[in-house]
Amino acid sequence: RKEVEQDPGPFNVPEGATVAFNCTYSNSASQSFFWYRQDCRKEPKLLMSVYSSGNEDGRFTAQLNRASQYISLLIRDSKLSDSATYLCVVNKRDSSYKLIFGSGTRLLVRP
Amino acid sequence: NAGVTQTPKFQVLKTGQSMTLQCAQDMNHNSMYWYRQDPGMGLRLIYYSASEGTTDKGEVPNGYNVSRLNKREFSLRLESAAPSQTSVYFCASTQGAVFANQPQHFGDGTRLSIL
Repeated sequence: RKEVEQDPGPFNVPEGATVAFNCTYSNSASQSFFWYRQDCRKEPKLLMSVYSSGNEDGRFTAQLNRASQYISLLIRDSKLSDSATYLCVVNKRDSSYKLIFGSGTRLLVRP
Repeated sequence: NAGVTQTPKFQVLKTGQSMTLQCAQDMNHNSMYWYRQDPGMGLRLIYYSASEGTTDKGEVPNGYNVSRLNKREFSLRLESAAPSQTSVYFCASTQGAVFANQPQHFGDGTRLSIL
């Protein structure tokens, strides 16, 4: 089982739709969590950190569920420019290399 | 502000050839990293460096060497390239301690093909 798992998608949604992605992690010692965005053939860029209490940044909301070991990303009022791959990243505590990247969920927003 | 700069952007090698991928950051960051990204897989850490002169192995170090000669630069060397090393390579940096709860700043990648 992968340490960080994501549905690869693609999620194909119309503009204005609300879409949510989940990401599960296997190591309960994981400490911090992030969502990165990666456009086609570009580098990953931090979208938002995920805090225990949940956090919101404009149209984006991130949630953490430690009991079930998953994080989620909700995008409201999808824009064409939201089309990208969203990477879940987990920072765990008990390994010599600690930052684990998911393989990403691809989102396509259509007109 | 250039951020993290990688060179070259593209490279084609023959099996057995060697080359060095260059990475430089101008943000005065302490920690630097090299990743590879393959289709259907997340970024995998090859090597990282907590500070000038120190390097440590990541998840997939075999076949690679690194050098952190100064705070700005962190190079990745393939001594004898193999087709399995065909990938997109990303360099990244963070301001504080390695793997601290901080965003990683990535370069725009090097697309490497080994024939």
